[in-house]
Amino acid sequence: DAGVIQSPRHEVTEMGQEVTLRCKPISGHDYLFWYRQTMMRGLELLIYFNNNVPIDDSGMPEDRFSAKMPNASFSTLKIQPSEPRDSAVYFCASSRGENQPQHFGDGTRLSIL
Amino acid sequence: AQKVTQAQTEISVVEKEDVTLDCVYETRDTTYYLFWYKQPPSGELVFLIRRNSFDEQNEISGRYSWNFQKSTSSFNFTITASQVVDSAVYFCALRRTPNYQLIWGAGTKLIIKP
Repeated sequence: DAGVIQSPRHEVTEMGQEVTLRCKPISGHDYLFWYRQTMMRGLELLIYFNNNVPIDDSGMPEDRFSAKMPNASFSTLKIQPSEPRDSAVYFCASSRGENQPQHFGDGTRLSIL
Repeated sequence: AQKVTQAQTEISVVEKEDVTLDCVYETRDTTYYLFWYKQPPSGELVFLIRRNSFDEQNEISGRYSWNFQKSTSSFNFTITASQVVDSAVYFCALRRTPNYQLIWGAGTKLIIKP
């Protein structure tokens, strides 16, 4: 079975540019999570969806960040405008039900210059 | 407050040694879940185990074993006869209720030397 698929794997862009990260969850999973990982702050939950509906976005750092899930098989995390402090690895994860383990994608390594 | 503490920042052992990674958690919930994940140098996060608060049986999977003790709020992970491929950062996590977020420990970097 295909796992969680994220794209791109790496993104390097200049400050001020718009960045869009993409995620395809595992088929049949009804929860989708976006995380950010940095050395300083570790793993941080940004937002999660249940059945395509955002449930908790309290982890989204500021209005420059937005996430959408237009259907059960696709989600995006957008940063506009990007800043150097947004540089991190962004992970998408999905799970079947709230009690089941979250399965992670390979992550997107984002560098904002 | 809900919290996960992995006090060991880094552990280094020689191959074939046994090693235990500690995880201590805090929660006021009576129902909760604990998880272990592995993050190898390649960067992906790999699920290892889930344990719910009502199941205190220890679990063994090959060279991996987990010791869950509610009395001490600990969920420790032991690797027997460690191998170089076990080198990774290992994270312990607590699933909080009711909003199903995972509370992550800071991780323990495990280095297995040949």
